[in-house]
Amino acid sequence: DTAVSQTPKYLVTQMGNDKSIKCEQNLGHDTMYWYKQDSKKFLKIMFSYNNKELIINETVPNRFSPKSPDKAHLNLHINSLELGDSAVYFCASSQGVLGGGNTIYFGEGSWLTVV
Amino acid sequence: LAKTTQPISMDSYEGQEVNITCSHNNIATNDYITWYQQFPSQGPRFIIQGYKTKVTNEVASLFIPADRKSSTLSLPRVSLSDTAVYYCLVGERGGSQGNLIFGKGTKLSVKP
Repeated sequence: DTAVSQTPKYLVTQMGNDKSIKCEQNLGHDTMYWYKQDSKKFLKIMFSYNNKELIINETVPNRFSPKSPDKAHLNLHINSLELGDSAVYFCASSQGVLGGGNTIYFGEGSWLTVV
Repeated sequence: LAKTTQPISMDSYEGQEVNITCSHNNIATNDYITWYQQFPSQGPRFIIQGYKTKVTNEVASLFIPADRKSSTLSLPRVSLSDTAVYYCLVGERGGSQGNLIFGKGTKLSVKP
């Protein structure tokens, strides 16, 4: 009964490959997010969707493309992977836009290693 | 957007009370203060939220002075399992960018 689940948990891939990380939330929330946590442990927001509509798109290379087929799912596709993309990617959700509704719920993270 | 400042790290021993202070000098009238906890290899999780004075739950207490320019997260009688990074965020309960901005947090190390 995991609230926010993301797959895969671990991913090792070569430079230049294309990969996707999937996320699903069963909390009935309207808003979902993708965060990146790099080797320095700094947690930075990348994207946010509200009811399948993109509302936040931080300064992220266009090799990163989020897709929200419905409000319970937000997938992250990464093209032409680079070494610097190695990080932990967290999916999250909240009841309202911009963290509204008191709290943000995070998934367990997806560890991406590009070699 | 209210900026938050926290100590980078803190050390403690099991059984002690730990107080982590966060500064937010330009907090807005409608802003709430929210704390998250992140264990190694996990996503952050909500601990506590408050607007003024004191809030207490089963995990922690949050002390907010009258001017609201700072807040203190208090963890009673910490154990080894409280070793984690603690983040302080400031934003409107109805939704604002501040609710999404995680700074560097405070890395708490609890020793036996």
